[in-house]
Amino acid sequence: DTAVSQTPKYLVTQMGNDKSIKCEQNLGHDTMYWYKQDSKKFLKIMFSYNNKELIINETVPNRFSPKSPDKAHLNLHINSLELGDSAVYFCASSHSTGGTEAFFGQGTRLTVV
Amino acid sequence: DAKTTQPPSMDCAEGRAANLPCNHSTISGNEYVYWYRQIHSQGPQYIIHGLKNNETNEMASLIITEDRKSSTLILPHATLRDTAVYYCIVRVASNNDMRFGAGTRLTVKP
Repeated sequence: DTAVSQTPKYLVTQMGNDKSIKCEQNLGHDTMYWYKQDSKKFLKIMFSYNNKELIINETVPNRFSPKSPDKAHLNLHINSLELGDSAVYFCASSHSTGGTEAFFGQGTRLTVV
Repeated sequence: DAKTTQPPSMDCAEGRAANLPCNHSTISGNEYVYWYRQIHSQGPQYIIHGLKNNETNEMASLIITEDRKSSTLILPHATLRDTAVYYCIVRVASNNDMRFGAGTRLTVKP
């Protein structure tokens, strides 16, 4: 079983559309993250949720809205997509205590045309 | 969290040890050193972490200096599949803020 799974793996859509990326983890972790990796390959944290509560919200446009229905899921909704949103989006999860590692999904490559 | 500094790129011959340095001179006493790597466009993969003692697992060894201001990740016998970007991160264990720098692009050559 995949520990952190994201769907879809690839997403091509037109400017102005609204889309969602889903993330699920089966590791029993209490913290989940969304990262964006652009064409320059920098991994930037976007959001962090702990026990369904938003902990970190970087300077991300409010067109991006994370939703955590339960501790095992953290979905990313993006409204009014723009060309600059094209990137690979990674979901991750970890325990919030104990110095444990984070596990990452395989990424969703979003292309806005 | 403390900022880390890594060389942008390194080469290593296949079968030889790869030693990847990381400077974290402003690390706090309760911050751990974590290493991850990203192979091509896959999701980052955890390698190892430590607080102040040297650590070893099946993938690598982590050597942390006594003053904790720097560390070295050692891949004892690098293979072509170890070619990746390696990230050194420092953070408090309970902190949900895990930020990546630019990392070191390691190229293992035949």
